[in-house]
Amino acid sequence: SQQGEEDPQALSIQEGENATMNCSYKTSINNLQWYRQNSGRGLVHLILIRSNEREKHSGRLRVTLDTSKKSSSLLITASRAADTASYFCATEPLDTDKLIFGTGTRLQVFP
Amino acid sequence: DTAVSQTPKYLVTQMGNDKSIKCEQNLGHDTMYWYKQDSKKFLKIMFSYNNKELIINETVPNRFSPKSPDKAHLNLHINSLELGDSAVYFCASSDTGAVAFFGQGTRLTVV
Repeated sequence: SQQGEEDPQALSIQEGENATMNCSYKTSINNLQWYRQNSGRGLVHLILIRSNEREKHSGRLRVTLDTSKKSSSLLITASRAADTASYFCATEPLDTDKLIFGTGTRLQVFP
Repeated sequence: DTAVSQTPKYLVTQMGNDKSIKCEQNLGHDTMYWYKQDSKKFLKIMFSYNNKELIINETVPNRFSPKSPDKAHLNLHINSLELGDSAVYFCASSDTGAVAFFGQGTRLTVV
């Protein structure tokens, strides 16, 4: 079964608003990553957070990780229409070399 | 230069045919993957190879056979194609525990 589940499945906001997406996973991990997928394209890596980290920033992105709750969140601040895409979390379970993807959140940002 | 390239981008074929998708990475990564993304956008790992050796095979029918002639290439051959094989197939590569780089995907349609 999927390692991760994300919510919401879909999110629609106006430009300038913040977007928050959540990811829950099932097993202990080495790291958690967030990826973005534009329609009809491949996935692009956004940010990686290791299991011993709690928060990480990259530009307008802020990621948190709570290993006790097995959950992560991705916050996109001051969203832009160009942020419209699907966002996936991916976990690398302990003692594996594979990335397991969540179910994704489809974000629509209206101008 | 394209980091992970896969061909063809689109593939339309009839049930029962055999087809191959090729993938090449020029990043010097040791690990390569095949993922399948279905119509609901779920992204599932199929195979993982590390330095030409199969390390993950995720309950994929044996009609699917990956082949890695060298660590820069991981091709996917599919025998006796079925309607349910229609999906987008993504190749990816990474160093262990690090970011995955994805190809642009191959949209396979079986008719």
